[in-house]
Amino acid sequence: QVQLVQSGAEVKKPGASVKVSCKVSGYTLSQLSMHWVRQAPGKGLEWMGGFDPEDGETVYAQRFQGRVTMTEDTSTDTAYMELSSLRSEDTAVYYCGTTELLVWGQGTLVTVSS
Amino acid sequence: SYELTQPSSVSVSPGQTARITCSGDVLAKKYVRWFQQKPGQAPVLVIYKDTERPSGIPERFSGSSSGTTVTLTISGAQVEDEADYYCSSTADNAAWVFGGGTKLTVL
Repeated sequence: QVQLVQSGAEVKKPGASVKVSCKVSGYTLSQLSMHWVRQAPGKGLEWMGGFDPEDGETVYAQRFQGRVTMTEDTSTDTAYMELSSLRSEDTAVYYCGTTELLVWGQGTLVTVSS
Repeated sequence: SYELTQPSSVSVSPGQTARITCSGDVLAKKYVRWFQQKPGQAPVLVIYKDTERPSGIPERFSGSSSGTTVTLTISGAQVEDEADYYCSSTADNAAWVFGGGTKLTVL
């Protein structure tokens, strides 16, 4: 049974970066294709990027290109999502999820405020 | 870019059949996933590959596809099915997209 545990809430100032972690248990990270999705307050789901097993590469949503980096540490089975140049509109709950988004983390609230 | 269009809301009485549609050109050649999200909770995958149901999802949830429109059907909707529902698919460049979401009211 795969479980994902994400890091805690963050408060950042505009222009800063945030790095959210997602710890995998029950499987090894290399067996999974990880995705990241965010949800602004009162809004819908927005896919940020994820691993494409057909190409063996991470694909990013066009609107986040150049601002987001998704990495993995297979030694600790932990995935990371770093978002830079934060602005107030980036205030959201950030979720990690496994292949096909079958299993989700609990979400990490990132608040961007001066 | 491409888009998936869902109705903003659907309302049914308990025991009735709820149908939520999702439309988009990409759906003619790509699979759809459906997610259920209740307030304050992470989403849950209820349908993948248009019609497949993950383990643990009740049989009253089903999916169907016709051309550029897919439908999530909840047969005999229950009060606990009240939630937001999102469709999602994948473009040729492997990027995913979500529909805007549909608020299902069961009362």
